[in-house]
Amino acid sequence: EAEVAQSPRYKITEKSQAVAFWCDPISGHATLYWYRQILGQGPELLVQFQDESVVDDSQLPKDRFSAERLKGVDSTLKIQPAELGDSAMYLCASSNRDKGNTIYFGEGSWLTVV
Amino acid sequence: GQQVMQIPQYQHVQEGEDFTTYCNSSTTLSNIQWYKQRPGGHPVFLIQLVKSGEVKKQKRLTFQFGEAKKNSSLHITATQTTDVGTYFCGSSGTYKYIFGTGTRLKVLA
Repeated sequence: EAEVAQSPRYKITEKSQAVAFWCDPISGHATLYWYRQILGQGPELLVQFQDESVVDDSQLPKDRFSAERLKGVDSTLKIQPAELGDSAMYLCASSNRDKGNTIYFGEGSWLTVV
Repeated sequence: GQQVMQIPQYQHVQEGEDFTTYCNSSTTLSNIQWYKQRPGGHPVFLIQLVKSGEVKKQKRLTFQFGEAKKNSSLHITATQTTDVGTYFCGSSGTYKYIFGTGTRLKVLA
């Protein structure tokens, strides 16, 4: 079964450093999401792409976070500079309208900022 | 705006007991999906319900979509320790996908 690929799985970085996460959605899925999940809480949407266009980035802290999906396939989420409060799991997910918009998640990237 | 609440927030059960989590929306939902997230893992899609009053079963799990399409439930019969995790409902709203607040299930052996 096709999966959403994410890397790295784990990242430890010092505060004020830059960090980047990569995601490759399920082939053919037009919609790509980046979520942040803090331990014990539900996923929080950071940004949603439809093909290469951003359709929702209202919860993205734009002073330090950026996301791109230049060719409408894989995507990168960047944080610069990282802050202690950014420690969380960053989940990438994808969906396709033909499949009822069911969201399929990657395994996530755990970020620890020290 | 559209909100989806889940109850209970936490549930501890003895192995073999039944468990139910409820998902309630302030507005009519076009569909509902259920996910399970194991501790330390990522949300995994379980099932989707679309029709009013729809009931689907997966082994010991029974999923139901309310007649008014504003609520849904997930019932687990005779829980096992492998059922431990957080169960989320979710729905693709008009503009964005909305997750419920989640129910964390702990099964005591």
